[in-house]
Amino acid sequence: QQQVKQSPQSLIVQKGGISIINCAYENTAFDYFPWYQQFPGKGPALLIAIRPDVSEKKEGRFTISFNKSAKQFSLHIMDSQPGDSATYFCAANGNSGYSTLTFGKGTMLLVSP
Amino acid sequence: ETGVTQSPTHLIKTRGQQVTLRCSSQSGHNTVSWYQQALGQGPQFIFQYYREEENGRGNFPPRFSGLQFPNYSSELNVNALELDDSALYLCASSLKGRDEQYFGPGTRLTVT
Repeated sequence: QQQVKQSPQSLIVQKGGISIINCAYENTAFDYFPWYQQFPGKGPALLIAIRPDVSEKKEGRFTISFNKSAKQFSLHIMDSQPGDSATYFCAANGNSGYSTLTFGKGTMLLVSP
Repeated sequence: ETGVTQSPTHLIKTRGQQVTLRCSSQSGHNTVSWYQQALGQGPQFIFQYYREEENGRGNFPPRFSGLQFPNYSSELNVNALELDDSALYLCASSLKGRDEQYFGPGTRLTVT
């Protein structure tokens, strides 16, 4: 059972455009929703995270929008740059007793110059 | 850089063999989690260690085992390797009670 569904699988955006990646979750016990960025041959790097008590969080060019009733959250990358080309993973955490992340399958983003 | 280090970087093993992967957590972090990332997939939780004990486990068989040492570093051991064990193995360090997890660069394991 896939508890976090991510779309699209791949995305091509022109330089300066807005990249939007969406995730949906099923488990209402989840209470922490991070996004990770992964470059080829590297481990995932924590980009930005949100909790369900807020609907939006912005850090620089990266914004998370969160819709608790729809059980959906999304990552928006403003003014996308070629250096943003990477694979992005959404994740969720909320198991009681210990902290573990459930990841989506990833979105490969290519920002064309 | 997260300060989480893993060794070795790459490893090639034969089916049926055993392998040990190592992880040093970020300074100040007392919890280590291990994940398996198959090609083209998101990381999958294997288990977590805190205070040198397994603190939670994902859907992985017992031939996946681990250790945590007093300095919070950790090992992942896999016995009786199978071809499907070929993946990037990631360790993530965190502070107990905090949600943020910081990943190392991973160990790429190839089983032939």
